[in-house]
Amino acid sequence: KAGVTQTPRYLIKTRGQQVTLSCSPISGHRSVSWYQQTPGQGLQFLFEYFSETQRNKGNFPGRFSGRQFSNSRSEMNVSTLELGDSALYLCASSLAPGADGYTFGSGTRLTVV
Amino acid sequence: GNSVTQMEGPVTLSEEAFLTINCTYTATGYPSLFWYVQYPGEGLQLLLKATKADDKGSNKGFEATYRKETTSFHLEKGSVQVSDSAVYFCALSDRGDSSYKLIFGSGTRLLVRP
Repeated sequence: KAGVTQTPRYLIKTRGQQVTLSCSPISGHRSVSWYQQTPGQGLQFLFEYFSETQRNKGNFPGRFSGRQFSNSRSEMNVSTLELGDSALYLCASSLAPGADGYTFGSGTRLTVV
Repeated sequence: GNSVTQMEGPVTLSEEAFLTINCTYTATGYPSLFWYVQYPGEGLQLLLKATKADDKGSNKGFEATYRKETTSFHLEKGSVQVSDSAVYFCALSDRGDSSYKLIFGSGTRLLVRP
């Protein structure tokens, strides 16, 4: 079965712009989480969504937002981009929160210039 | 709060050498523990997991045992291959009220030379 699909794979944006990243979970998975990976901060939790509801949010500014649709697909949005937002953004899905671990996608590499 | 500490890398080994990557954790309650692996340009792949004390997770020759008394979950492999070169992340599950997230260590890069 298809894995977790993240689009696009690569993005280059300018400071001040906004960006939307997409994640399609494994079929049947209803929980989606997002993580940011940077060389300096490592892997940090952004959000968790289940049944279209944000269940948890990490310690990120309000410029970072997300949502989940009825088909469990999720998007995250970053507004007013800063250079420090350059990172690999990883999406992970699971049947339900905490169920048997998460399956990660290949990520979206965002570069802010 | 909960946290994970991994040994600093890079770890450089010759093919067929024995591998240990140390991981210790701080947590309230009884988290599940995981090892993930990341190959260049890719996302994270679950390597193995353990859900309770004394459980041993194993996969592809890698093993780790959930040691509650020492709060450790060290990753071991008896004979590494060049294809094992990657970054390895130790993680624990952090369960809040109706929510769940993974807390990761900083990662340990493994380089295996032929």
